[in-house]
Amino acid sequence: ETGVTQSPTHLIKTRGQQVTLRCSSQSGHNTVSWYQQALGQGPQFIFQYYREEENGRGNFPPRFSGLQFPNYSSELNVNALELDDSALYLCASSLTGLNNSPLHFGNGTRLTVT
Amino acid sequence: QQQVKQSPQSLIVQKGGISIINCAYENTAFDYFPWYQQFPGKGPALLIAIRPDVSEKKEGRFTISFNKSAKQFSLHIMDSQPGDSATYFCAASGKSGGSNYKLTFGKGTLLTVNP
Repeated sequence: ETGVTQSPTHLIKTRGQQVTLRCSSQSGHNTVSWYQQALGQGPQFIFQYYREEENGRGNFPPRFSGLQFPNYSSELNVNALELDDSALYLCASSLTGLNNSPLHFGNGTRLTVT
Repeated sequence: QQQVKQSPQSLIVQKGGISIINCAYENTAFDYFPWYQQFPGKGPALLIAIRPDVSEKKEGRFTISFNKSAKQFSLHIMDSQPGDSATYFCAASGKSGGSNYKLTFGKGTLLTVNP
């Protein structure tokens, strides 16, 4: 069973730039969620994708956007980066269906905005 | 508005002791309460979870106690070991879009178990 994999592991960007983070879901999972974890804080829900459509969104501005592909992998895009976007971005996959599965997290992408 | 409040912020326990972490929630629509363990440089890993139809769930050395009327739940780690040293997060979610939709996390507890 392959777990959730994220790339890249670390990234440094400049304020105003755009970034794309990638996630491959765990085998058998059809739902992907993205979370932002600031230093010393708990993860905060950004959005969830199911059947290639956004299935709920947290309190994040529209410059945070995402995609889910037919193979259930996903991308998180952030435009016009701000210093406060520096955080660990976590992807989690799960199975939505008759028997929902718990979230399984990847190890995250550490984004630093300078 | 912080919907899940977690305490303490940090905890130091001796090897073999009991670690207790508490969480309180506000949203009565929450119906799924997991605990996650996170080591430095890693993503959170699910430890144990409970639903409000039971008051306690035990898996090995880990126990969740749940008090629906008080809107509180806690994690007990029995016989704590140095390998348990990590950050622990409680979380909660409701039924919208599925039982695991939009987890709301507490701020975390840094547990240190001294040998």
